[in-house]
Amino acid sequence: QKEVEQNSGPLSVPEGAIASLNCTYSDRGSQSFFWYRQYSGKSPELIMFIYSNGDKEDGRFTAQLNKASQYVSLLIRDSQPSDSATYLCAVIFNDYKLSFGAGTTVTVRA
Amino acid sequence: DTGVSQDPRHKITKRGQNVTFRCDPISEHNRLYWYRQTLGQGPEFLTYFQNEAQLEKSRLLSDRFSAERPKGSFSTLEIQRTEQGDSAMYLCASSPLSGREQYFGPGTRLTVT
Repeated sequence: QKEVEQNSGPLSVPEGAIASLNCTYSDRGSQSFFWYRQYSGKSPELIMFIYSNGDKEDGRFTAQLNKASQYVSLLIRDSQPSDSATYLCAVIFNDYKLSFGAGTTVTVRA
Repeated sequence: DTGVSQDPRHKITKRGQNVTFRCDPISEHNRLYWYRQTLGQGPEFLTYFQNEAQLEKSRLLSDRFSAERPKGSFSTLEIQRTEQGDSAMYLCASSPLSGREQYFGPGTRLTVT
């Protein structure tokens, strides 16, 4: 059983729309949750992290965490073509080791 | 630029050869991690250092793989007798002792022919 699952995508949204990405995780004791953006051929770039239930906003990005449902999401508002990338959800199950989902590829149509 | 750096960025080698990759973490980051990523998958954890101590090795890290972090600064990852299945992006990340956020370097793309 995979520890971190993401909606399979790919996700295509028009420019200016909201892109919604979802992630579920298996370990109820997980405390730390991350979203990385990865452009094709590049390495993952940390864009959001969230440790407490609720919402966390940073610019056009909002991360949402619901530990009871073991669910974390990322909303991208006012999507831009430069947001076209693969978004990786990652969870720390112990003090340090990141476990990643397979990623959701987002394409923003101009 | 004070980010994580990795060298080389690309490596093509023949099956059976040994290769070594280097990672320089962000200054003052005590923790250093190696991950491996294949096409269409998220990165998979390989090993973790806190200062110079290697605290965990994944089952993915066969006996052909060895990692070091002498003096708690840069780290090297060596793969002996490479196989075609070793072809992947090898990623290094670092984090401070006080934080959980991990920052990745640009990666080394290994192709074994």
